[in-house]
Amino acid sequence: AQSVTQLDSQVPVFEEAPVELRCNYSSSVSVYLFWYVQYPNQGLQLLLKYLSGSTLVKSINGFEAEFNKSQTSFHLRKPSVHISDTAEYFCAVSDSTTDSWGKLQFGAGTQVVVTP
Amino acid sequence: GAVVSQHPSRVICKSGTSVKIECRSLDFQATTMFWYRQFPKQSLMLMATSNEGSKATYEQGVEKDKFLINHASLTLSTLTVTSAHPEDSSFYICSAESGTGANEQFFGPGTRLTVL
Repeated sequence: AQSVTQLDSQVPVFEEAPVELRCNYSSSVSVYLFWYVQYPNQGLQLLLKYLSGSTLVKSINGFEAEFNKSQTSFHLRKPSVHISDTAEYFCAVSDSTTDSWGKLQFGAGTQVVVTP
Repeated sequence: GAVVSQHPSRVICKSGTSVKIECRSLDFQATTMFWYRQFPKQSLMLMATSNEGSKATYEQGVEKDKFLINHASLTLSTLTVTSAHPEDSSFYICSAESGTGANEQFFGPGTRLTVL
């Protein structure tokens, strides 16, 4: 079984400032890692994912996350945030074995509030 | 991207009644759908995995006789909360997997259930 810890429940940040959302996981097997974003009154949307290969993954809107196996982390960063980045961000992990294909374990979420 | 809808978005019912929630993949076929439950300020918890044409697989601790799941077609899965009680009040979210092998789930906007 896996577990996911998002250390910050809420992160206030000023517009154009950098932001980092922390995510740590525990698992006894290899995992896939995801970041989802939930804008107000909308469903979760995939922001980026790590399945294999390069440990640094990037989204089209400027976010990036790095898989660190030794530290069991998958922190999300953006060098300069916009007001429109205000949302809830969820880190998720799934077991990479076939039997658990698709079953996501979510963190508690981090609310990012961007102010001018 | 792929769109998943849920209906209703919000429902209020009396204790003891049953409530059906629909989850539809609008522009793709979903062989697998997932049902999650989210309590306020908490993470999404996977309730069950639903495969088209077969019985759902429930996570440990989820009562299958209380939360009836039907996945009769490749675009529709339903969750019926039977004999609802106030403790069943929660936010129910479905997701659908496109089956493209990209291990990506598309989430519905959720259904807020309040049991009086």
